Parts: sequence; C-alpha cells; structure tokens
Amino acid sequence: KNQVEQSPQSLIILEGKNCTLQCNYTVSPFSNLRWYKQDTGRGPVSLTIMTFSENTKSNGRYTATLDADTKQSSLHITASQLSDSASYICVVSDLTGGGNKLTFGTGTQLKVEL
Amino acid sequence: NAGVMQNPRHLVRRRGQEARLRCSPMKGHSHVYWYRQLPEEGLKFMVYLQKENIIDESGMPKERFSAEFPKEGPSILRIQQVVRGDSAAYFCASSPPGQGLFEQYFGPGTRLTVT
Repeated sequence: KNQVEQSPQSLIILEGKNCTLQCNYTVSPFSNLRWYKQDTGRGPVSLTIMTFSENTKSNGRYTATLDADTKQSSLHITASQLSDSASYICVVSDLTGGGNKLTFGTGTQLKVEL
Repeated sequence: NAGVMQNPRHLVRRRGQEARLRCSPMKGHSHVYWYRQLPEEGLKFMVYLQKENIIDESGMPKERFSAEFPKEGPSILRIQQVVRGDSAAYFCASSPPGQGLFEQYFGPGTRLTVT
C-alpha cells in the first residue's frame, strides 16, 4: 500500500526566509513523485514532477529533491513571500495507471508572516 | 484556455438525497480523475475515467457512488442516498490524451455538506 508522510505538520516563517519541507514515502514500484501547492479553498497546483532518474528539479523559488534509495524527498522554498502561505503536499505514484494514480500526503501547512 | 471547471462549488443536501457533481476538463483533455478530501485529511483517489470508459474505480465506495464521462458533456460524480460521512471536498483533475506521465490540472472543488 502506498503511503506518504510529511513533516513538519505546520510551519511559520518570516517573509524572506528559506524553509525546507520533508516527505518520506512508501511506494512500489515507484513511478514518480510530485509536489503540489494548495491554497485554502482551492484545488492543488503542481510545482514539480520527478521520476526515479531525477534527483533535483526547480521551479522558480521552489526546488525539490528526491532520494530514491532512502525514499525521501524535500521541497526547499527560497526567499519566502506572503503568497507562499499554503499547504504543500507530497504525492507519489506507482506504475498502476501509467503513473497517474496519485497517493497524497496530508501536507505541511506553511504560514509566512511579516 | 479555461482551466478545469467544477460545479456547483458548494452543495448542501439532506441525508438520503442525491448529489450530482460536475467536472468539465480542460479543452483537449480526455482523462478525468476524481478525488475526495475529508476534513483534516489528504486527497484520496476515487476514480479515473477516459471518454465513455471507467479505467480505474478502485477508490470508489462499492455502494451509492458512481461516475461517468460521456462522449459529450462533463464528467459526473453521483452520490445516491447521501449520509453525513459523505461531507467533504470533491476535486476533479484532468490530463491530456495519450500514454505516459502527465500533469494533472485540478479544479476548484465542490464542497458537499450533508445535513
């Protein structure tokens, strides 16, 4: 059974600071790992998708890393902005359905303050 | 290009009534996925459909829930005889046709409240 655990559950940082969110997963056989941003009351928006051959991927101020051996991923946010306040969700998929059947973590709730 | 559209955004039903949730995928997309998000929980996969076909419904409850994606028109998630435990946010996502790994684009969700 695919599982995703994220830490911390919540995080408060000051505007301009960096932060790193963690994800541990269990999935077999591994297909891909995604990070999503979900604003309150909205649908998730994709930040990155990584397959097993990729160990880092950037999207603007967001950089995701993947260690397929330890089954860990992280999302690093640089120079945080107030608009980064949201839930950040780690998502994994196995090869069922071509890698498009997603298992979601419960997210890290990030709040960026002045 | 309009994004994924869902309606209604909010739906209130009494126990025992039927709920119909609609999802219009992005233009050119032929794959639709439905997810349910219970309060304080992560999104859970329910069903994956292509036009006129259910590809994977392993996440759908066996009773009262059904989904379709007709040749014309939106995808419909139907919940019969709703119970309080059905109260949740229901999201649909769409992706382009073809094989391989695709981005899934999510709609804004329908928040169902059962009273």
